[in-house]
Amino acid sequence: NAGVTQTPKFRVLKTGQSMTLLCAQDMNHEYMYWYRQDPGMGLRLIHYSVGEGTTAKGEVPDGYNVSRLKKQNFLLGLESAAPSQTSVYFCASSLQGYANYGYTFGSGTRLTVV
Amino acid sequence: GQQLNQSPQSMFIQEGEDVSMNCTSSSIFNTWLWYKQDPGEGPVLLIALYKAGELTSNGRLTAQFGITRKDSFLNISASIPSDVGIYFCAGRGNTGKLIFGQGTTLQVKP
Repeated sequence: NAGVTQTPKFRVLKTGQSMTLLCAQDMNHEYMYWYRQDPGMGLRLIHYSVGEGTTAKGEVPDGYNVSRLKKQNFLLGLESAAPSQTSVYFCASSLQGYANYGYTFGSGTRLTVV
Repeated sequence: GQQLNQSPQSMFIQEGEDVSMNCTSSSIFNTWLWYKQDPGEGPVLLIALYKAGELTSNGRLTAQFGITRKDSFLNISASIPSDVGIYFCAGRGNTGKLIFGQGTTLQVKP
């Protein structure tokens, strides 16, 4: 079982460059999420999706865009990267939105913006 | 919005010692979850709690859903080196999504 797969695992960007982070899940989960993890701040929700073709803003959405064209994939885009977006990004998925069974997380993408 | 305060922020203990950490909030949560994050990996679910007062164990781990529904505790007994990592509490808030605490970093000295 692959679970939740994130690509790439590491990336270094220059300020102003753009990139897309890919998240793929093979569990037929309806809900998918993008979080960023920064020291001392835990996990903060960037955007989420409650199903194919839907997206919604989370706690810290500015500077990011997302798309969910296929149920199994959730893409996170940075149009013009800034040093403040240096972070570890985690994708997660859940079978149901009320999260009674918790989320399944990917192993993360470590992004550095210089 | 709803927030969780997790403490302590970090712990450095001797192998064999017991560990306690907690999460508190000013608002009520309907579900409490505890995750562990190993270095370089994503968080993995350890224990889920669904009812106020519930006490649940998973091996050497025991977690409790506070009776007021505003807090939760995680205890690790007889710690071993592989317990090293970051422990996160998470609560299901009134929006249905999980809200995470800031994390407790645990280091175990052999």
